[in-house]
Amino acid sequence: GAGVSQSPSNKVTEKGKDVELRCDPISGHTALYWYRQSLGQGLEFLIYFQGNSAPDKSGLPSDRFSAERTGGSVSTLTIQRTQQEDSAVYLCASSLAQPETQYFGPGTRLLVL
Amino acid sequence: AQSVTQLDSQVPVFEEAPVELRCNYSSSVSVYLFWYVQYPNQGLQLLLKYLSGSTLVKGINGFEAEFNKSQTSFHLRKPSVHISDTAEYFCAVRKAAGNKLTFGGGTRVLVKP
Repeated sequence: GAGVSQSPSNKVTEKGKDVELRCDPISGHTALYWYRQSLGQGLEFLIYFQGNSAPDKSGLPSDRFSAERTGGSVSTLTIQRTQQEDSAVYLCASSLAQPETQYFGPGTRLLVL
Repeated sequence: AQSVTQLDSQVPVFEEAPVELRCNYSSSVSVYLFWYVQYPNQGLQLLLKYLSGSTLVKGINGFEAEFNKSQTSFHLRKPSVHISDTAEYFCAVRKAAGNKLTFGGGTRVLVKP
């Protein structure tokens, strides 16, 4: 079956612009996660959605980062006023309600010039 | 809070030789343990996981790992590597009652002919 998909696969933007990254989880998965993979910080948790519960935003690095999940499916991660340190690969993952295994998408490679 | 240390950032190994990737973790609560593999320009793929039960866990592609609670380790092994095993490997933990994964810094495995 279809796995987690993310778009775009690559994004180049200028410092100060806003960007939106999209994640389509595996059908039927109620949990969705965003992680960031960067050279300096490795793989870091950003945010977690589970059903209709309030999201766990504890990993978001600043208030320029936000995410939403519409209809319990697709999620969008928004970065406002991008900075060069936001350059990274943004990975999305999804899982069933009992999150034993998280399935990852291919990521969006973001480059802020 | 949990933390994960992967002791080797890079491991060169000859084809058909064995490999061991070391992972140590720190946590004050019960955790689940995971190994993921990342091939170039791809997302993370689950190799294996330890939730409970037998401390020797077998995964895909001939990999196995052993959970050692007293040493807080979860080392990954493969008795004979192939060129196609060239990738980056990540050890991760998750609180048994939690959701987000905490990753180690990764180990790059380069298999030489």
